[in-house]
Amino acid sequence: QQPVQSPQAVILREGEDAVINCSSSKALYSVHWYRQKHGEAPIFLMILLKGGEQKGHDKISASFNEKKQQSSLYLTASQLSYSGTYFCGTFGGNKLTFGTGTQLKVEL
Amino acid sequence: KAGVTQTPRYLIKTRGQQVTLSCSPISGHRSVSWYQQTPGQGLQFLFEYFSETQRNKGNFPGRFSGRQFSNSRSEMNVSTLELGDSALYLCASSLVQTNPPGELFFGEGSRLTVL
Repeated sequence: QQPVQSPQAVILREGEDAVINCSSSKALYSVHWYRQKHGEAPIFLMILLKGGEQKGHDKISASFNEKKQQSSLYLTASQLSYSGTYFCGTFGGNKLTFGTGTQLKVEL
Repeated sequence: KAGVTQTPRYLIKTRGQQVTLSCSPISGHRSVSWYQQTPGQGLQFLFEYFSETQRNKGNFPGRFSGRQFSNSRSEMNVSTLELGDSALYLCASSLVQTNPPGELFFGEGSRLTVL
């Protein structure tokens, strides 16, 4: 079953912050975040393993709450280069299942 | 080092035909997985191969099949094409197969249009 992402789309002005949420109805072992720019291949951002850890990648960080079966991706002081579609993937049953994505657009 | 290469990049087929898509993983990568991407469904897992063996399969009909060769290159085949098969098919490779999987390196995909 696909994880649910929210919001589906968001528009930001450069410098603003954003949060993208990912939740699952199933117990999670890990959460994987990818970003895909229009017409390009998805690229890896980070993996979070259960344990409530928080990871960072430049000004992009994420948290994972295994009890709530949720993960959140935090984009701080957004840049134009952050525009794209963000996918969360959840691992279970030996499969990596991705959500439907969150379209993020950063404007001047 | 070269990335994941998928061919062809674009193709148009008619209903009932079959299609074969190819994926060359990053050199040294032995795990290859395939995803179908459509606007409403996001990335849907098709199957994963490691050392020429299919390790996992998604919830797709038997018309979708794949294989991996000894050099880790992979192909997927869709027979009896339907309009709903129109999508971007993405291939991803990783160094080894682990649970959970590590970083996946995606190709730019093969865009299939079925008329």
